[in-house]
Amino acid sequence: DSGVTQTPKHLITATGQRVTLRCSPRSGDLSVYWYQQSLDQGLQFLIQYYNGEERAKGNILERFSAQQFPDLHSELNLSSLELGDSALYFCASSVGTGREKLFFGSGTQLSVL
Amino acid sequence: QQQVKQSPQSLIVQKGGISIINCAYENTAFDYFPWYQQFPGKGPALLIAIRPDVSEKKEGRFTISFNKSAKQFSLHIMDSQPGDSATYFCAASMLGSARQLTFGSGTQLTVLP
Repeated sequence: DSGVTQTPKHLITATGQRVTLRCSPRSGDLSVYWYQQSLDQGLQFLIQYYNGEERAKGNILERFSAQQFPDLHSELNLSSLELGDSALYFCASSVGTGREKLFFGSGTQLSVL
Repeated sequence: QQQVKQSPQSLIVQKGGISIINCAYENTAFDYFPWYQQFPGKGPALLIAIRPDVSEKKEGRFTISFNKSAKQFSLHIMDSQPGDSATYFCAASMLGSARQLTFGSGTQLTVLP
């Protein structure tokens, strides 16, 4: 168990809808990262937060947004969902923003029908 | 230039054999090269990592070989065991963005008993 908790494990929704994925980092970790894993794109970095502030953006669509709250949990919001958004979304955490080990959660499987 | 190319896509090895997975990169700014192991239903977990100032790093049965001039690195799993059956991802990141990992496409390893 990595210590990173993601909920829900599975999410089924329809096109055009909006969903929120939640992540609780390991105790003591200040950084949260979101990654998307799909069959055609593989594992892609979406966005990083450190202690509540956005630190880096990767291949994140404008329809997607995230935030990190004062208790350090993070939420990834996906709106105007399309079929192609179906993927496994991972949250990861680390102590800081340097070379520390990255711990991944078990992911949220999103299916857009 | 951000891509990391991984091969083979799948690999079948007999128990006790050596598993070899290769990766190549283009971006010479990459300076951190981890390998992740992912079991079904789980998130990726860091297996071993190397920086370009060394040509080899060994941890137990797992060895990374790094060839800076060729911009290639590989994972060798010695004495492969059925419990090693998983998907393996190579990755790379740049100084200052250590956890914004660029992942390879993954290799599904099956170790036959």
